[in-house]
Amino acid sequence: DAGVIQSPRHEVTEMGQEVTLRCKPISGHDYLFWYRQTMMRGLELLIYFNNNVPIDDSGMPEDRFSAKMPNASFSTLKIQPSEPRDSAVYFCASSSRTGGYTFGSGTRLTVV
Amino acid sequence: AQSVAQPEDQVNVAEGNPLTVKCTYSVSGNPYLFWYVQYPNRGLQFLLKYITGDNLVKGSYGFEAEFNKSQTSFHLKKPSALVSDSALYFCAVRVWNRDDKIIFGKGTRLHILP
Repeated sequence: DAGVIQSPRHEVTEMGQEVTLRCKPISGHDYLFWYRQTMMRGLELLIYFNNNVPIDDSGMPEDRFSAKMPNASFSTLKIQPSEPRDSAVYFCASSSRTGGYTFGSGTRLTVV
Repeated sequence: AQSVAQPEDQVNVAEGNPLTVKCTYSVSGNPYLFWYVQYPNRGLQFLLKYITGDNLVKGSYGFEAEFNKSQTSFHLKKPSALVSDSALYFCAVRVWNRDDKIIFGKGTRLHILP
């Protein structure tokens, strides 16, 4: 298995633009998690899905953030409009019911 | 509520010396415990986990961790540190058959001094 695949690896965008981050989880994993990591706040859970259904989105900072999981092999995290304070590394992770997480390599987002 | 505490923001160890990175947890139920490592500009990598059985768990890169139920601790250890062990280490807990999500500690930055 190729692991959790995230794209793009780096994204630089201007304030106000829409940003879409993508994630392909490990086949057979029924949980998918989106995290954000910054120096100031560390690792924050944004939202997670079970069997493609959003379970807990209480970590999503604002209405500008949205996440979807249209099928078991794909998820997106969208920011619209983006702001400089959204600059961070965004990680996707997947897991089975009882296992640990497997993380993707992350997307480093810079909003200028 | 489930929680994980890593009391040290940073740990400095001389190369060749033993290292310990501390972790305590608070859960209601049987915990799954994990250690992850993050190298610069990389995602978190799984090191080891405790689910049940032997309290001493061996993982990747020569690391091990000891589950202590009475002290609710799961400290990460290595007998002889390498400079390449320098990284950010996260302890995490998941409650068996209860929680869907893993709770992460804030992380401990490990510096191995040559």
